[in-house]
Amino acid sequence: KNQVEQSPQSLIILEGKNCTLQCNYTVSPFSNLRWYKQDTGRGPVSLTIMTFSENTKSNGRYTATLDADTKQSSLHITASQLSDSASYICVVSESSGNTPLVFGKGTRLSVIA
Amino acid sequence: NAGVTQTPKFQVLKTGQSMTLQCAQDMNHEYMSWYRQDPGMGLRLIHYSVGAGITDQGEVPNGYNVSRSTTEDFPLRLLSAAPSQTSVYFCASSYADGGGYGYTFGSGTRLTVV
Repeated sequence: KNQVEQSPQSLIILEGKNCTLQCNYTVSPFSNLRWYKQDTGRGPVSLTIMTFSENTKSNGRYTATLDADTKQSSLHITASQLSDSASYICVVSESSGNTPLVFGKGTRLSVIA
Repeated sequence: NAGVTQTPKFQVLKTGQSMTLQCAQDMNHEYMSWYRQDPGMGLRLIHYSVGAGITDQGEVPNGYNVSRSTTEDFPLRLLSAAPSQTSVYFCASSYADGGGYGYTFGSGTRLTVV
């Protein structure tokens, strides 16, 4: 069964610190992996999309990595800000079928002053 | 502003009532979908559409109907609301149903069935 597992489930860090969120998946065949940020009471917003051939992709203070061999991805947040407090969702797409998205349960990040 | 618009933002229904959640996008996206988000679970696909006149079931379609008469609109109908349908519902659209295309999500509809 295709699955996306994220860790940790929740995380609290001090403002200005860095953190790394993990995503492991079993989705096959693999098409791409996306990281979304979901603020409380809002819909998810795309941070990055990575295909099989991409190892690293950055979006401002967010850097995503992908190891397609081990089926692992990470999202690194640099110099965290209070506004980074949100849920971060890893989503993996199959390369076949009509319902390709497999969602992780998300990591709840809280950045405190 | 371009994007996905969902209405209403909040709704309370009594068991057995019916209602329609509205979703509209102005980006000329062919692919639209409905998800529900429950505590402790990832988003789950209810129904999706790859273009006007074409719809299909997702992972949890029971109790819901959809139609796609135009490219812009993709309403979700609850036929006879049940407490198990209490959830937050998100509509999403994309140029296509996969590949490297990003999904744009609406801001959600929080539904409570009592």
